Amino acid sequence: GAGVSQSPSNKVTEKGKDVELRCDPISGHTALYWYRQRLGQGLEFLIYFQGNSAPDKSGLPSDRFSAERTGESVSTLTIQRTQQEDSAVYLCASSPWTNTEAFFGQGTRLTVV
Amino acid sequence: GESVGLHLPTLSVQEGDNSIINCAYSNSASDYFIWYKQESGKGPQFIIDIRSNMDKRQGQRVTVLLNKTVKHLSLQIAATQPGDSAVYFCAENLRDKVIFGPGTSLSVIP
Repeated sequence: GAGVSQSPSNKVTEKGKDVELRCDPISGHTALYWYRQRLGQGLEFLIYFQGNSAPDKSGLPSDRFSAERTGESVSTLTIQRTQQEDSAVYLCASSPWTNTEAFFGQGTRLTVV
Repeated sequence: GESVGLHLPTLSVQEGDNSIINCAYSNSASDYFIWYKQESGKGPQFIIDIRSNMDKRQGQRVTVLLNKTVKHLSLQIAATQPGDSAVYFCAENLRDKVIFGPGTSLSVIP
């Protein structure tokens, strides 16, 4: 596709379960970002991948959160032992290189019940 | 996680008026700044950007002003239209990490 694709678009999970969120960036984009957006709030930086460099994980809120990216392709964000406070929209963005416009996906709305 | 503030200020303007949305960024070493527009249920969309070696940049109906002395960024929207109603975020690029401001909700009154 032409844009950043995220799946699933909606996910409802029970507290304590693990979830995996997927992001397909725009082909050829070397930079990939994950953000969390709680209802009515701003975007909270989680993690940043740039090419084959070590990712910047400084925004991950706890060790229950992890993310992987294979080369310059798909990324997955995993949340283990989900808690109600994890309920939010998780947004992924990619850009062709650093210091340029990032293109966002539609997000995955996660609800932990 | 990192973000600048967690509360969403609001701005209401009459259709046809000009809108000015302000943003204070956090780090003097940031070298690239972007404004994004987010409509309900969608991801943010790029509006305009500016690099730190500039203080003004104009697009179609939008102008971004950068004041590095006071670490302030503003977005001006000319002749605001109902379709401009959205949340607007500024973002700063600091060592390749893009950090977003708290956002401003713009409501256009017809």
